[in-house]
Amino acid sequence: NAGVTQTPKFQVLKTGQSMTLQCAQDMNHNSMYWYRQDPGMGLRLIYYSASEGTTDKGEVPNGYNVSRLNKREFSLRLESAAPSQTSVYFCASSEGGYSYEQYFGPGTRLTVT
Amino acid sequence: GENVEQHPSTLSVQEGDSAVIKCTYSDSASNYFPWYKQELGKRPQLIIDIRSNVGEKKDQRIAVTLNKTAKHFSLHITETQPEDSAVYFCAARGPGGSYIPTFGRGTSLIVHP
Repeated sequence: NAGVTQTPKFQVLKTGQSMTLQCAQDMNHNSMYWYRQDPGMGLRLIYYSASEGTTDKGEVPNGYNVSRLNKREFSLRLESAAPSQTSVYFCASSEGGYSYEQYFGPGTRLTVT
Repeated sequence: GENVEQHPSTLSVQEGDSAVIKCTYSDSASNYFPWYKQELGKRPQLIIDIRSNVGEKKDQRIAVTLNKTAKHFSLHITETQPEDSAVYFCAARGPGGSYIPTFGRGTSLIVHP
């Protein structure tokens, strides 16, 4: 099992450009999450999908959109990147229901200039 | 929503000493409290978790204690080793799929040989 995979690993964007971060899991998990990690701020939830077909906003959703493409894949889109979106982005998944352990992907380091 | 406070933000110890990291939470409905370890440049990984029906849990050199009345929980690492150096995150979440986990801001643990 590959677990949770993310692409790309690194990305540099110019202000105003758009991009999509891809995430996939092969553990048949129901729930998937997108976090951003900034120094001293911990892990902040951007969006999550409790189950296939549903998505909900987290703590910091502004400037982002998500798509739960199927049970395996959950993508994060930046429509018009801003320097404030420079961060490390982690995707995570969990089985759902009353099984709570989250498994994280390797992360994407995004720089917006 | 849930609010998780984590202290200290940085903890420096000598090899062999014990380390304690503390977290408080605000939502009395929270019933699951995981701890994640993140080594430099790596993804967060679960090291231990506790549910609200248990007061303490141990796994070799690490233990977690929970005080539901005071709404705080702690991570204890005994006989610290240099490989314990990492950022540790606590989190809290409520029951069922409608709850999402809230993370603390992290503690950077440095173990000096």
